[in-house]
Formats: sequence, structure tokens, C-alpha cells
Amino acid sequence: AQSVAQPEDQVNVAEGNPLTVKCTYSVSGNPYLFWYVQYPNRGLQFLLKYITGDNLVKGSYGFEAEFNKSQTSFHLKKPSALVSDSALYFCAVRPDRGSTLGRLYFGRGTQLTVWP
Amino acid sequence: DTAVSQTPKYLVTQMGNDKSIKCEQNLGHDTMYWYKQDSKKFLKIMFSYNNKELIINETVPNRFSPKSPDKAHLNLHINSLELGDSAVYFCASSQEQGGQGTGELFFGEGSRLTVL
Repeated sequence: AQSVAQPEDQVNVAEGNPLTVKCTYSVSGNPYLFWYVQYPNRGLQFLLKYITGDNLVKGSYGFEAEFNKSQTSFHLKKPSALVSDSALYFCAVRPDRGSTLGRLYFGRGTQLTVWP
Repeated sequence: DTAVSQTPKYLVTQMGNDKSIKCEQNLGHDTMYWYKQDSKKFLKIMFSYNNKELIINETVPNRFSPKSPDKAHLNLHINSLELGDSAVYFCASSQEQGGQGTGELFFGEGSRLTVL
């Protein structure tokens, strides 16, 4: 069965400090991996994705994520957090490469709070 | 110019009623989706259409019926609404290109359905 785990419901960091939001996955084959962010009462916004190539991918708003195949992880990182980064972050995987299904499996989300 | 737009944004109705949510995308994508986000923020796919053809029907009750009149529209009709249908419903789209797409989804702002 395909699954995505975000082990922390909440992550709290001080502004200016580095942040990490964790994600591990269990899917067959070589998946596509994604991070999305959701602000209150808004839809999900795409942050970044890993398809192939360099394990460190860079995305919007200074975020980056590191793909680790052996640990089946795709942790989201940012060197210096901003208060405006406070939001709900979702990790997602697409196991069916090369098909038209386009199905994404989402983790349960991690609420990031950055305090001033 | 909103890329994926859904209406209405809020919907409050009584149990047993029938309601519809409309979705339109102006991104030229060939695949559209309905996702349900429950009160705990968990996201789960309901339906997926590729070029107006139903691709994914994820064990959703028959009371839910999607309709895609063309590639740019995907509507969701719900019959005999139940309390458990209360959730936020997100429409999304992606460009799959016959399996060559990279699968990032673009989401609408969501439609919050409250069944009393």
C-alpha cells in the first residue's frame, strides 16, 4: 500500500532559525515527490518537486527539500524561517510515473509555526 | 486571473438536500480532480478526469457524481447530503500529456460544505 508519513503534527521554530519538516514515504517504484503549503482558508500551493537528478531540489519562497532514496525521505528545509512561513505543509507522492492517473497521496500535514 | 476557480466558496445546507459545486480551470490542463479535506485536514482524492474521461473513482458513495462537460470544467453533484459530507472540497488540475506530465497539481481555493 502507498503511504506518506509526516511524523510531526506541529513544528515550532523561532524566526531566523533553520527549519525542517519531515516526510517519509512508502511506495513502489520511483515516485515523484512534492511539497505543498496551505494557508488558512486557502487552497494548496505547490512549493517544489523531485522527479529525478540532483537530490537537493529548490523551490518557492526559499524552501528546499532533500530526497534520500535509501531512507525513503523527502524532508523540507529552509535555512532561515520567517513568520510568514507559518502554515500547514503537506508532503505528497505520486507513485504511478508515466501513467495518466495523476494520483497524489498526501501526508496528514505538519503545522509550522514561526514565532517572532 | 484565477487559474482554478470553484464556486461556491461556502455552502450551508440541510441533510437530505442535493447540491453542486462547480470548477473551472484556465490553465489548458487535460486532467482535473476532486479532493476532499476532512476536519483533521486529511486530503483524499475522490475523482480524476482526463480529457473528460473518468480515470479515478476512489470508493466514493454513489451519491457523489462528477461531471466533466469539457476539459476545462469538472463539477461535483452530491445527492441526499449527510452530516458526514461536511468538509472542504478542492478542485485541482494538472497537465498529464498522455503520461509525460510531472504531476504537480494546481488547486482551487476550496468549497466549504456544511451539512446541518
